[in-house]
Amino acid sequence: QKEVEQNSGPLSVPEGAIASLNCTYSDRGSQSFFWYRQYSGKSPELIMSIYSNGDKEDGRFTAQLNKASQYVSLLIRDSQPSDSATYLCAVAGFQKLVFGTGTRLLVSP
Amino acid sequence: GAGVSQSPSNKVTEKGKDVELRCDPISGHTALYWYRQSLGQGLEFLIYFQGNSAPDKSGLPSDRFSAERTGGSVSTLTIQRTQQEDSAVYLCASSPQGRADTQYFGPGTRLTVL
Repeated sequence: QKEVEQNSGPLSVPEGAIASLNCTYSDRGSQSFFWYRQYSGKSPELIMSIYSNGDKEDGRFTAQLNKASQYVSLLIRDSQPSDSATYLCAVAGFQKLVFGTGTRLLVSP
Repeated sequence: GAGVSQSPSNKVTEKGKDVELRCDPISGHTALYWYRQSLGQGLEFLIYFQGNSAPDKSGLPSDRFSAERTGGSVSTLTIQRTQQEDSAVYLCASSPQGRADTQYFGPGTRLTVL
């Protein structure tokens, strides 16, 4: 079993819709979780971090964490074509991040 | 201020040759990380430096891979006797105090082994 798993997609949503990206992790002791956005040919950019169970909102982005289910998600409201990218879920191990393979999101105008 | 920089941006080499990839972290950042991203894959951790020492080398795929960091700043990742499966984008990240959540990534070096 991979340490961090994501559906590779692509996830296609129309402009204005809510995009829901999901991630599961295997280390029950993990405490810190992150979502990175990576445009094609570019390096990853941190967009959200979450440490406690529940929801964390930042603008159009909401991260959700359920440690009991070992599940973290990212919701993007009012999706825009500029949100089209690969979204990488990462879980902090001891002083390093473990990344999932990413979910490709396509937002159509 | 300047971000993390990496050089070269692209490197094409022949199988069996050695290559050196360079990373200049953000000034003052004590922690430095190397990752590898193969086509369509996530990021694979290679090695982590705190200062000039590497407490975690667990991700280096073989003894052909080595890395060093000098002066608590610049790091070099060396791949000896390159193989075609080494083709990937090599990403470097730095963080102020080794906190995994504040990693800032460089633009990467795209390595192609023919």
